[in-house]
Amino acid sequence: DSGVTQTPKHLITATGQRVTLRCSPRSGDLSVYWYQQSLDQGLQFLIQYYNGEERAKGNILERFSAQQFPDLHSELNLSSLELGDSALYFCASSFSGVLTDTQYFGPGTRLTVL
Amino acid sequence: QKEVEQDPGPLSVPEGAIVSLNCTYSNSAFQYFMWYRQYSRKGPELLMYTYSSGNKEDGRFTAQVDKSSKYISLFIRDSQPSDSATYLCAMSEIQGAQKLVFGQGTRLTINP
Repeated sequence: DSGVTQTPKHLITATGQRVTLRCSPRSGDLSVYWYQQSLDQGLQFLIQYYNGEERAKGNILERFSAQQFPDLHSELNLSSLELGDSALYFCASSFSGVLTDTQYFGPGTRLTVL
Repeated sequence: QKEVEQDPGPLSVPEGAIVSLNCTYSNSAFQYFMWYRQYSRKGPELLMYTYSSGNKEDGRFTAQVDKSSKYISLFIRDSQPSDSATYLCAMSEIQGAQKLVFGQGTRLTINP
């Protein structure tokens, strides 16, 4: 168990809908990352937050947004969902968010868009 | 073409064999190289990391980086059934934020 928690475990929704994925980092970690894992694209970095501030952006679509709250938990919002958004979404956390910090991954949220 | 290429396998070997997993990359700015292991229905976990070129050993695992060839490898000695998992290489530039670029992952099965 990495200490990173993600809810919900599974999410099934329809195209055009909006969903929110939630992540609680390991105790003491200040940085949170979001990743998308799909069969065709593999594991892709979406966005990183550090202590409430956005630090880095990857291949995150404009329909997706995220935030990190004062208690350091984070939410990833996905809107106007498309079939291609079906994937595993992972949250990871690290202490300071610098390059040599180990990222600890949560168990993921499996999103299915029908 | 992807920045990081990794043969997805699957790779199946008998217990005790030496396993070689590889990735190639195109971005010469990558300086930090990692291997993650992902068991089925779990998140990835960091196995090893290497900065720049060279070798690093940790128990039965050895990571090698050849920056001149833009090629990294992970060797597993005396492979065990518990090593059966998907192995992902990941890499990052030194400058800027911690943006990891992952390979597709190689699914490995160790047969008892």
